[in-house]
Amino acid sequence: QQQVKQSPQSLIVQKGGISIINCAYENTAFDYFPWYQQFPGKGPALLIAIRPDVSEKKEGRFTISFNKSAKQFSLHIMDSQPGDSATYFCAPKRENNDMRFGAGTRLTVKP
Amino acid sequence: DAGVTQSPTHLIKTRGQQVTLRCSPKSGHDTVSWYQQALGQGPQFIFQYYEEEERQRGNFPDRFSGHQFPNYSSELNVNALLLGDSALYLCASSSGRGYTFGSGTRLTVV
Repeated sequence: QQQVKQSPQSLIVQKGGISIINCAYENTAFDYFPWYQQFPGKGPALLIAIRPDVSEKKEGRFTISFNKSAKQFSLHIMDSQPGDSATYFCAPKRENNDMRFGAGTRLTVKP
Repeated sequence: DAGVTQSPTHLIKTRGQQVTLRCSPKSGHDTVSWYQQALGQGPQFIFQYYEEEERQRGNFPDRFSGHQFPNYSSELNVNALLLGDSALYLCASSSGRGYTFGSGTRLTVV
């Protein structure tokens, strides 16, 4: 079930810096590419998602970049804040099928 | 807040016992998915229910079974518990592509 590979496993960034998390997938049938954010003791929460017909989507400090030919998409967090410290998961899916989560990236933003 | 509600929040069971976990979906959502999240891992898909039927299933043994009721709420049952079943069990509801997760049930098997 290794359809999704996420990197890095952990990331430490200074406050105000840029955090970049990558996700590589194998299944070309995926047609929805979300990132989820999970805090300790909570379930994952949808952060931002993209469809394959666009290459980039920005929502506030969060940006998804999508490279269909490379079968990769990434999450960029600009001006990272200590409150962004959490575990991030990519979870691509295709219509009428469920999500396949990556192993997660633990982000720590140092003040 | 009409989010996803899971019960109980924590549970301790003995090997060989059976357990039932419950999930009430977000208002307006008709599809419920269950995930198992081991410590330090990403959630693993167990199964999904829609219109009271199991629509999809992940790579989990038959000891894991479920049910969806007419009001869209759902149960996850696990029989013959093993130590390896200790995990956070997450319920997610949806009515399209976006999923809303509950905070999960932490199951410990001793």
